[in-house]
Parts: sequence; structure tokens; C-alpha cells
Amino acid sequence: GENVEQHPSTLSVQEGDSAVIKCTYSDSASNYFPWYKQELGKRPQLIIDIRSNVGEKKDQRIAVTLNKTAKHFSLHITETQPEDSAVYFCAASPNSGNTPLVFGKGTRLSVIA
Amino acid sequence: DTEVTQTPKHLVMGMTNKKSLKCEQHMGHRAMYWYKQKAKKPPELMFVYSYEKLSINESVPSRFSPECPNSSLLNLHLHALQPEDSALYLCASSQGDSLNTEAFFGQGTRLTVV
Repeated sequence: GENVEQHPSTLSVQEGDSAVIKCTYSDSASNYFPWYKQELGKRPQLIIDIRSNVGEKKDQRIAVTLNKTAKHFSLHITETQPEDSAVYFCAASPNSGNTPLVFGKGTRLSVIA
Repeated sequence: DTEVTQTPKHLVMGMTNKKSLKCEQHMGHRAMYWYKQKAKKPPELMFVYSYEKLSINESVPSRFSPECPNSSLLNLHLHALQPEDSALYLCASSQGDSLNTEAFFGQGTRLTVV
């Protein structure tokens, strides 16, 4: 089955700097890659996603890149703000019928003011 | 309405109790999920319902019993739980039958087993 590795497990950046979180996946059939943000005590919320027919997607300060050949995808947050502090989860979904999301272990991002 | 609503938000139960968690969505989504999340860990899939039929059971102990009364509702019946079952239980839903589409999460039920 699918296996998603996520790095780093913790990340501290100064406010205004960029943050990059990387994930790799194992199943070449996976074709949907969402990123979720989970603030303390709250639900995971989708912040951006990408499908395997696209190499990059951007939404304001957030971007995701996908390298299908290398089977890795990354989340880029620019001009970080304290409210970006949260746990970020990447996920992959194999295109094999009724197979749901497989999550990475998460990255705890701390943005220091 | 892009909400997945879960009740209750918090639940404390004894090991001999029977309780139920409820989840509701009105987005017309045909796939609904139960996840369990322990502190500092990712959500861990428990069950998937697709078109009101159980399609995935991730070897979950029988003390957890899911039920999908209709396309908008998903329940999780709890009986004879153990303290290690204490966790955040998240419901989610997604559109379509391929399941590899955006999943919307409810706010979760924080369960404590005493």
C-alpha cells in the first residue's frame, strides 16, 4: 500500500521567512496530494491540493510542487506569519478504487515573531 | 453548506458505558469516514462508507461499531472501551465514488475513557 514520509517533523522560522515541508510517496498510482493545516485543538483543514497532471499550484503565500518522477511533493509558505504556526499534514491518495487518503506524520511549524 | 458537524464535542465515558458519536453533512458527499487521532499524530483511518455501504474497515476492534443510517449521517457506536481508546475522533466526507477528492473534516469529538 501507499506510504507517505514527511520531513521535517518540526520547523521553526522567523516571521517573514519562508518555510518548506517535503513529502515523498511510494505508490506511483497516487494522483491526488492535499495539504492540511491543523491548529491546536481544531480540525484538519485543507489549505491546498494538487493533482498529478499539474506540476505546481499557488494560492497567495502558499504553493505546492509535485515531482511525479521522483515521487515527492513540497509545501512552500512565503512571508510566514505567526498565525501560520500549526501542524501541517501532507497526504496522498492512490487512484485504486476505494482507497482514501494516506497521511504523513505531520510537521509542527512555529513562526517566531 | 461546507460543514461537517460532529456531536458531542467532548465525551467522558466509563469502560462499561455505551455511547454514540454522531456526524452529519449536507454537501451531498457520498463517502464518509471515521478517523482516530492521538496527540501529535496524524489522523488514522478507521472506517469508510461509500454510498452508505461500509467499504473499508481498517481492522478496528469490535468495540467500535459504525453505522450509516442515510447519506447525510454517520454514527460511531462505542461499547466497553479501554483508556487507550481516548483520542480525538474525526469524521470526514468527500464527494464522488473514487475517494481521492478533497476531504472535509468535522471539528472532532474529544473522547476520554476513564
